[in-house]
Amino acid sequence: AQTVTQSQPEMSVQEAETVTLSCTYDTSESDYYLFWYKQPPSRQMILVIRQEAYKQQNATENRFSVNFQKAAKSFSLKISDSQLGDAAMYFCAYTGNQFYFGTGTSLTVIP
Amino acid sequence: DAGVIQSPRHEVTEMGQEVTLRCKPISGHNSLFWYRQTMMRGLELLIYFNNNVPIDDSGMPEDRFSAKMPNASFSTLKIQPSEPRDSAVYFCASSHRRWNYGYTFGSGTRLTVV
Repeated sequence: AQTVTQSQPEMSVQEAETVTLSCTYDTSESDYYLFWYKQPPSRQMILVIRQEAYKQQNATENRFSVNFQKAAKSFSLKISDSQLGDAAMYFCAYTGNQFYFGTGTSLTVIP
Repeated sequence: DAGVIQSPRHEVTEMGQEVTLRCKPISGHNSLFWYRQTMMRGLELLIYFNNNVPIDDSGMPEDRFSAKMPNASFSTLKIQPSEPRDSAVYFCASSHRRWNYGYTFGSGTRLTVV
C-alpha cells in the first residue's frame, strides 16, 4: 500500500536560517509525482514544489528545494533563508495511481 | 483565472439537515478532487472525477455522502443527513489529467454540524 510519512509533527527555525522537513513514502509504482504543499493559517493549500519520480535532478523553487532519494523513498524539503511568512503547516503528497498526503509538519519561524 | 472556487466558505447547520457544498474547478482541468481535513484524520480523499466521471469514491465515508459533477465547470458534495462528526474543512481541488503539475485547491468550506 502507498503511504506518506512525515515524522516531524512540529519544527522551528530562526528567521534567516535553514530548515529541512522530512518525508518518506512507500510505493510499488515506478511512475509518480511528489509535492510539498503549504497551508498557512488562512487554510489555503498552496503548492510549494513538485518532483517527478523519473527525474533524478532535485527540484528547486527560489528558497525551496528538495532532496529526492528515490531508492530510499525519501523526499525532504529544505527552506533556506527562512522568513516569517514561511510559518505554516507543510504537507508532503504523493500522486500516482492513488493520492496520499502526509499528516503535516507545523513550522514555526522565530524572529 | 480565479482559481478553484468553493462555496460557501463557512456553513453551520443542525444535525439531520442536508448540506450541499459547491465547487467550480479551473477551466481546462480534467480532474476534480474532494478532500476532507480534520485534526484527527488529516487530509482524506473522498472522491475524484476525471472528465466529469467519478473514478474512485472509495473514500466516501458512508451513503450519507454523495458527489456529482454534471459538467466540467461544476461539482457538488452533498451530505444528507448531516451529523456532528461530519464537521470538518472540505476542500475541492482540480488538476490536469496527468496530475504532474499538482492540484490547485479551493479555499475550502468549514462545515460545522451542531
